[in-house]
Amino acid sequence: EAQVTQNPRYLITVTGKKLTVTCSQNMNHEYMSWYRQDPGLGLRQIYYSMNVEVTDKGDVPEGYKVSRKEKRNFPLILESPSPNQTSLYFCASLLTSGGNTGELFFGEGSRLTVL
Amino acid sequence: RKEVEQDPGPFNVPEGATVAFNCTYSNSASQSFFWYRQDCRKEPKLLMSVYSSGNEDGRFTAQLNRASQYISLLIRDSKLSDSATYLCVVLTDNYGQNFVFGPGTRLSVLP
Repeated sequence: EAQVTQNPRYLITVTGKKLTVTCSQNMNHEYMSWYRQDPGLGLRQIYYSMNVEVTDKGDVPEGYKVSRKEKRNFPLILESPSPNQTSLYFCASLLTSGGNTGELFFGEGSRLTVL
Repeated sequence: RKEVEQDPGPFNVPEGATVAFNCTYSNSASQSFFWYRQDCRKEPKLLMSVYSSGNEDGRFTAQLNRASQYISLLIRDSKLSDSATYLCVVLTDNYGQNFVFGPGTRLSVLP
């Protein structure tokens, strides 16, 4: 089954404790992206990757890191989480070769609470 | 001014009603336009693309007005299962770099 898998789905942590949210897709998509969703603000892009070893900042990259060592994986790293990073996080992938259909495939989301 | 604006709602409508959502975008260079649907606490999923000529998919009709930078979604004969948040999404380039999401419009279809 074609899917984007995120882990963990739910996490409560404390300020300053490094954490990683993993994202994996099995559709051989070139493009992957991380978003955070907060009430009233919609989804905002954190980082994106056009392909392996190619990453770039989105609209709200502060406090986050990413890497794209393999095509299928795009982990999101919070080196020193703070309470303002409490949010619902979505990973998404997109097939860009052969034309962009605009159909982002999203993971089920990771709800992060930083105390 | 936000790049993509939507009325957050909620729109509460009876089953069978016709409901329309609007969306405006600020970047005149925007290339492509979409409506996504998001159920409560779930991930967004593509509902339909929006073309300049307008397009229809069953009970759903999407329209684009580039001159006014305005997108609309019309839902006819609303079903209970249409209850969700509808996200207006604008792509500002065709390389997939910048999908800009509106905050969403919440629809509740009531029995």
